[in-house]
Amino acid sequence: QKEVEQNSGPLSVPEGAIASLNCTYSDRVSQSFFWYRQYSGKSPELIMSIYSNGDKEDGRFTAQLNKASQYVSLLIRDSQPSDSATYLCAVNSGSARQLTFGSGTQLTVLP
Amino acid sequence: DTGVSQNPRHKITKRGQNVTFRCDPISEHNRLYWYRQTLGQGPEFLTYFQNEAQLEKSRLLSDRFSAERPKGSFSTLEIQRTEQGDSAMYLCASSPPWRDRVTYEQYFGPGTRLTVT
Repeated sequence: QKEVEQNSGPLSVPEGAIASLNCTYSDRVSQSFFWYRQYSGKSPELIMSIYSNGDKEDGRFTAQLNKASQYVSLLIRDSQPSDSATYLCAVNSGSARQLTFGSGTQLTVLP
Repeated sequence: DTGVSQNPRHKITKRGQNVTFRCDPISEHNRLYWYRQTLGQGPEFLTYFQNEAQLEKSRLLSDRFSAERPKGSFSTLEIQRTEQGDSAMYLCASSPPWRDRVTYEQYFGPGTRLTVT
């Protein structure tokens, strides 16, 4: 069983809508959770980090964490065509605190 | 530009050749990670350095792979006797010293895309 699971998509939303991306993880001791955005052919870019249960907002992005359910989500409000990318969920694990990634969800925002 | 840099950005090599990639982390970041990413997958952890010490290696890191970080600054990743299955994007990430949870964030370089023909 993969340690970090994401809906592979693709997910399409109209411009201005809310995009909702979901992620589950298997390691109960994980403490740190991240969302990265990756444009085609580029490297991952950190957009959100969350460490405590609840919501964390940064501009149009809101990350939600529920450790009891081992669930992390990312909401993108007022989606823009420039948000079209693959979104990677990542969890710190191991003694080196290396990141374990999901396979990513491809998001397309339609003008 | 004070971000993580990687060179070369692209490398095409023939099977059986050796290749070496370089990563320059963000200044004062003492932690450095190497990952590999293939198409349609998330990055997979390869190895971890804290300062000059290589403290963690993934099972993915076969004996054809070696990494160094002399003096705790830049790092190199060498692949010997390359195989077609080594074709991937090789990503380097750096992170500042651990003090609190904020320092668990990792920042990626642009990557080196390796194609083995």
